[in-house]
Amino acid sequence: NAGVTQTPKFRILKIGQSMTLQCTQDMNHNYMYWYRQDPGMGLKLIYYSVGAGITDKGEVPNGYNVSRSTTEDFPLRLELAAPSQTSVYFCASSYEVSGSYEQYFGPGTRLTVT
Amino acid sequence: AQTVTQSQPEMSVQEAETVTLSCTYDTSESDYYLFWYKQPPSRQMILVIRQEAYKQQNATENRFSVNFQKAAKSFSLKISDSQLGDAAMYFCAYRRKVNRDDKIIFGKGTRLHILP
Repeated sequence: NAGVTQTPKFRILKIGQSMTLQCTQDMNHNYMYWYRQDPGMGLKLIYYSVGAGITDKGEVPNGYNVSRSTTEDFPLRLELAAPSQTSVYFCASSYEVSGSYEQYFGPGTRLTVT
Repeated sequence: AQTVTQSQPEMSVQEAETVTLSCTYDTSESDYYLFWYKQPPSRQMILVIRQEAYKQQNATENRFSVNFQKAAKSFSLKISDSQLGDAAMYFCAYRRKVNRDDKIIFGKGTRLHILP
């Protein structure tokens, strides 16, 4: 298994541009998440999904959109990028069975908006 | 609302020594999960250890163990025989044990330096 994969690894955007961060997992996990990590801080939840077709807002959803058309994929869309969205973005997934609630993380995407 | 607090932004330990990272949390729930994640310079988040609140026995994983004090809402991580590869950011995290509410709350992290 490749686990959780994210593309791209790095990206520089200009203010007002849009982009989609891709996330795929091959573990058949039903839950998927998007976090952002600002310098020196912990992770803040942007959006999450409990299954295909279902998404919910997390702590910091403004400026982002998500979709979950398949179990494997959970892309994060940035519309009208702003400097405040400069961060490292992590996708994660988990499988809801007893005793197995940990989240598995992708390698992250470093995004800079200038 | 649940919160997770890591009061030590940075710590240093001599190689082969033992170090303890502190974590406290606030919740009104009686059953939940607690985690320690390691984030090395590669930025990959790696699960170190997991504790289920209803289990009184402290979790251990090789050189890593926790001291879980439920009444005090404390969840410290002990690293024995510290190795250079242990240098990383360590995040304490909390998760409610409720279906369809799988939101993990992370602390701000503790940066651990290993001194050779």
